[in-house]
Amino acid sequence: QKEVEQNSGPLSVPEGAIASLNCTYSDRVSQSFFWYRQYSGKSPELIMSIYSNGDKEDGRFTAQLNKASQYVSLLIRDSQPSDSATYLCAVRGFEDTGRRALTFGSGTRLQVQP
Amino acid sequence: DTGVSQDPRHKITKRGQNVTFRCDPISEHNRLYWYRQTLGQGPEFLTYFQNEAQLEKSRLLSDRFSAERPKGSFSTLEIQRTEQGDSAMYLCASSFREGAEAFFGQGTRLTVV
Repeated sequence: QKEVEQNSGPLSVPEGAIASLNCTYSDRVSQSFFWYRQYSGKSPELIMSIYSNGDKEDGRFTAQLNKASQYVSLLIRDSQPSDSATYLCAVRGFEDTGRRALTFGSGTRLQVQP
Repeated sequence: DTGVSQDPRHKITKRGQNVTFRCDPISEHNRLYWYRQTLGQGPEFLTYFQNEAQLEKSRLLSDRFSAERPKGSFSTLEIQRTEQGDSAMYLCASSFREGAEAFFGQGTRLTVV
């Protein structure tokens, strides 16, 4: 079982729709959760961070975290063609476990159709 | 530009040669990470520094890979005796404190021929 799992996609949505991206993780003591956007050939760009259960909104983006279900999601409202990219979920463990680095999923490719 | 800076952006080398990459983190960030990414995969952790101390290293990392961060500022990643399987994007990231957001540099794309 991978530590961080994402559906590779592609997830195709029409322009203006809500895109929903999901991620599950295996380490129950994970503390910090991040979403990165990566355009082809470019490096990952941080979109959102979330540390506690519930929703966190930033503009068109909403991150949702459910630690009991070990599940984190990203909603993109009013999707635009410029949102077409690969979205990476990243998880950081608890400091005392010695796992300080981020563990990434393989990413979900999002295609927003004009 | 005060973001994470990596040099070079691209490197083509012959198999068996040694290569060295440099990363300059955001100035107030004392945590620095190296990752490797191949096509279709997420970034794979290589090593982590807090100031000048290398605190974590991937168990999967070959002995041909070494990293340093003298004086807790910039970092270098060296690959000795490169192999074709080393071809990848090498990414550096930095963060201000434990658990904080990590920001990536532009990456160094290595091609071993």
